[in-house]
Amino acid sequence: GQNIDQPTEMTATEGAIVQINCTYQTSGFNGLFWYQQHAGEAPTFLSYNVLDGLEEKGRFSSFLSRSKGYSYLLLKELQMKDSASYLCAPSTDSWGKFQFGAGTQVVVTP
Amino acid sequence: GAVVSQHPSWVICKSGTSVKIECRSLDFQATTMFWYRQFPKQSLMLMATSNEGSKATYEQGVEKDKFLINHASLTLSTLTVTSAHPEDSSFYICSAKLAHEQYFGPGTRLTVT
Repeated sequence: GQNIDQPTEMTATEGAIVQINCTYQTSGFNGLFWYQQHAGEAPTFLSYNVLDGLEEKGRFSSFLSRSKGYSYLLLKELQMKDSASYLCAPSTDSWGKFQFGAGTQVVVTP
Repeated sequence: GAVVSQHPSWVICKSGTSVKIECRSLDFQATTMFWYRQFPKQSLMLMATSNEGSKATYEQGVEKDKFLINHASLTLSTLTVTSAHPEDSSFYICSAKLAHEQYFGPGTRLTVT
C-alpha cells in the first residue's frame, strides 16, 4: 500500500524559514512533487525532484532522498500569502499517478 | 501555457439526478487525465486515471458504475456522477498530464440536496 506522512500544521512568523518534512512508502516511485493549495482552490505546482539532492527555486527549495523515502520543502522569507496547505505527492507509476499526503497547513503570523 | 479548465465551477443538484463535469486542457493535448475528490479539510483522493481512447482505471473503493469517466479526445475528459446522493457532495478536481507534471483544473464544487 501507500503511506505518506507529513505534519498536520506548522506556524511561523513572517520572514522566517519553515521546513516541511515528508516521508513516504509507495509501491512504485517516479519522482516527488510538492504542491501548494489555498482553501477552496486547486493545487498549484511548486517543485519536482526525481534525483537525490536539493532543488532550489526562488524562496522555495525541495530535497529528496530516495533511499530514505524522505523529502522536505523549505520555505524561506515567509510571507502572509504563503499561508496555505502544502501537499507532498510521490508519483507512483509510469503513468504519472500521484498519491497525495494529507497536507501540512502552514500558518504565517505577523 | 498548460491551462486546464473545468465546467461547471459549482453545481447544486437534487438527490437521484446525474451531474456531468467537464475537464479540458486548453493549450495542450493530454493523453492522460486524472480525477480527484476532496472533502473539507482533507487531502485530494485520486478517484481514477483517464486515458484517451480507453477505459478509465479506478482506484480501489471507487464505484465505476457511479462515477462514469469518458476521455473521448486529447483535450476533454468528463466525469458523470450518476444517481447523486448528499454524501457525493464534494470538491471534484481534474488534472491533465504533460510530460512528468500534472496541471490542475480549478475544481468543481458539487452540492447534492
